[in-house]
Amino acid sequence: QVQLQESGPGLVKPAETLSLTCTVSGGSMSRYYWSWIRQPPGKGLEWIGYIYSSGKTTYNPSLESRLSISLDTSKKQLSLRLSSVTAADTAVYYCARILQDSNGWYYYYYMDVWGRGTTVTVSS
Amino acid sequence: EIVLTQSPATLSLSPGERATLSCRASESVSSYLAWYQQKPGQAPRLLIYDASKRATGIPARFSGGGSGTDFTLTISSLEPEDFVFYYCQQRSDRPLTFGGGTKVEIK
Repeated sequence: QVQLQESGPGLVKPAETLSLTCTVSGGSMSRYYWSWIRQPPGKGLEWIGYIYSSGKTTYNPSLESRLSISLDTSKKQLSLRLSSVTAADTAVYYCARILQDSNGWYYYYYMDVWGRGTTVTVSS
Repeated sequence: EIVLTQSPATLSLSPGERATLSCRASESVSSYLAWYQQKPGQAPRLLIYDASKRATGIPARFSGGGSGTDFTLTISSLEPEDFVFYYCQQRSDRPLTFGGGTKVEIK
């Protein structure tokens, strides 16, 4: 059973770069899409972006200029880097796997396996 | 981007009652809509995808319907653990977007 675990600094200073890692266990990263989603305190969910196991990325245009998502399949890790952060980037950050059909060829672009999330606060 | 509007913001019901949650899209998303449940302090859980397909392990009391711009999530008989938050999400276009959520609370 696939499990995801986010990790990274809980506190980041304004204007600095937020860096998070998601470690995948219990399954392969190959031929899957992997996504980052965030949730500001007391608010709803915002999709950040996703990456295919080949390295191809798709980002939310609202974050694209500051965002980089990468993965290392040998380490079974997914990474997120968000530069020039402000207080508006304070949120719980989740990594998630994107649902695919049982044959592994059709991707639904909904998130079926989620990590527990990690809280990031942007403050000086 | 496609805006999803969920209503009501809060739904007050009693255990055993039927809950009907709404999600309206700013433009047609065909049937490309999912519903998630989120309990306090936990990650969301996928309940329904492509409008009406139940995800693995989801109880039959959860059902989804609709197409185009109007969708519903129905919980046929509320259990105590169902009184939490629900979000819809579309995959018809990028960026992927979520609705603002509906809180189902005990009346």
